[in-house]
Amino acid sequence: KQEVTQIPAALSVPEGENLVLNCSFTDSAIYNLQWFRQDPGKGLTSLLLIQSSQREQTSGRLNASLDKSSGRSTLYIAASQPGDSATYLCAVSALDQTSGSRLTFGEGTQLTVNP
Amino acid sequence: DTAVSQTPKYLVTQMGNDKSIKCEQNLGHDTMYWYKQDSKKFLKIMFSYNNKELIINETVPNRFSPKSPDKAHLNLHINSLELGDSAVYFCASSQVQSYGYTFGSGTRLTVV
Repeated sequence: KQEVTQIPAALSVPEGENLVLNCSFTDSAIYNLQWFRQDPGKGLTSLLLIQSSQREQTSGRLNASLDKSSGRSTLYIAASQPGDSATYLCAVSALDQTSGSRLTFGEGTQLTVNP
Repeated sequence: DTAVSQTPKYLVTQMGNDKSIKCEQNLGHDTMYWYKQDSKKFLKIMFSYNNKELIINETVPNRFSPKSPDKAHLNLHINSLELGDSAVYFCASSQVQSYGYTFGSGTRLTVV
């Protein structure tokens, strides 16, 4: 059974800092990994999608890496801003088509960027 | 706008009632899902449908019944609501796994 762990559970940084959020998963047989952002009381916004054959993806100040063999992914946020404050969720997609496609989520990292 | 939309956004109801949450996607995706986010903010899959066919049915009480009239719609009906059903329910869709998932904005269900 796939399990996804995110470290740290919460992080508070001053504005302008670069930061790294960590995600680990127990079963390396994944199809892809997706990072989401969730603002309080809101839905999930997809940030980056990394296919299992890829090593990293970049979007603006965000860079996500994937090391499938070791079961790890990181989300790097450069020059953090107060508007980056949110919960960041890591989710992996199951590889087995016969059991259906599903996302397994971590519990999230709650990020606070202080002005 | 291309999106996954679900209604209502908020639902407050008494124990024992029956309620439905509707979900529609205009992305042309083949697969739709229901996820539940509990009070600890942990998201877990409940159901998935591919082209109106039930694919995943996790360990969910049979008071929860999904219905997919067509591949663009997946509704969730809940009978005999209990206090423990209070949560945020998210609808999502995907085309093939390589394209990732798109989530709706969620329905916050409160059972009193």
